[in-house]
Amino acid sequence: AQSVTQPDIHITVSEGASLELRCNYSYGATPYLFWYVQSPGQGLQLLLKYFSGDTLVQGIKGFEAEFKRSQSSFNLRKPSVHWSDAAEYFCAVIEYGNKLVFGAGTILRVKS
Amino acid sequence: GAGVSQSPRYKVAKRGQDVALRCDPISGHVSLFWYQQALGQGPEFLTYFQNEAQLDKSGLPSDRFFAERPEGSVSTLKIQRTQQEDSAVYLCASSLVATYNEQFFGPGTRLTVL
Repeated sequence: AQSVTQPDIHITVSEGASLELRCNYSYGATPYLFWYVQSPGQGLQLLLKYFSGDTLVQGIKGFEAEFKRSQSSFNLRKPSVHWSDAAEYFCAVIEYGNKLVFGAGTILRVKS
Repeated sequence: GAGVSQSPRYKVAKRGQDVALRCDPISGHVSLFWYQQALGQGPEFLTYFQNEAQLDKSGLPSDRFFAERPEGSVSTLKIQRTQQEDSAVYLCASSLVATYNEQFFGPGTRLTVL
């Protein structure tokens, strides 16, 4: 079975600083990878996805992620964090073509 | 257009009660998924429908959990004889095609079992 690891439970960054959230996956074939964001009391919103092709993927709200097969990683980045980015972020991989396997999430706090 | 909707948004049940959670997927979406999200954890897969067919129910934690999608659109997740460990947020998602596709999530139903 596939698994997704998000090593950081909490991350705190200053507003305007850069951000990198780590994600590692275990999967034998080419993975289909996602980053979702969840604000308190809200459902999951898709930030970006990687299916194939260019390993640097652009998403919404200024986020990007880079797929690195050699490191089994799909880290999420943003050059300049805004206070409204404070939320919980989940990395996920598709298993058996349909169901998503999620990591445990990383809570982002933004300090002004 | 409308996104995925779920009702109720909050449900409090006494231990032993039965509950029913509803999901209205995006119109025309073939696939529908249910996930369970315990406090402080990522969502975990429960079950998957393609149209009205339940193709995978491997994530349902016990035979107290039952899901249906009789007409291939609205789905209901039913939990019988609720227990405290059933307390979680139940998320519904839909996708346009069957495989390797983006899933759109509803806001979830927070179930609290006392």
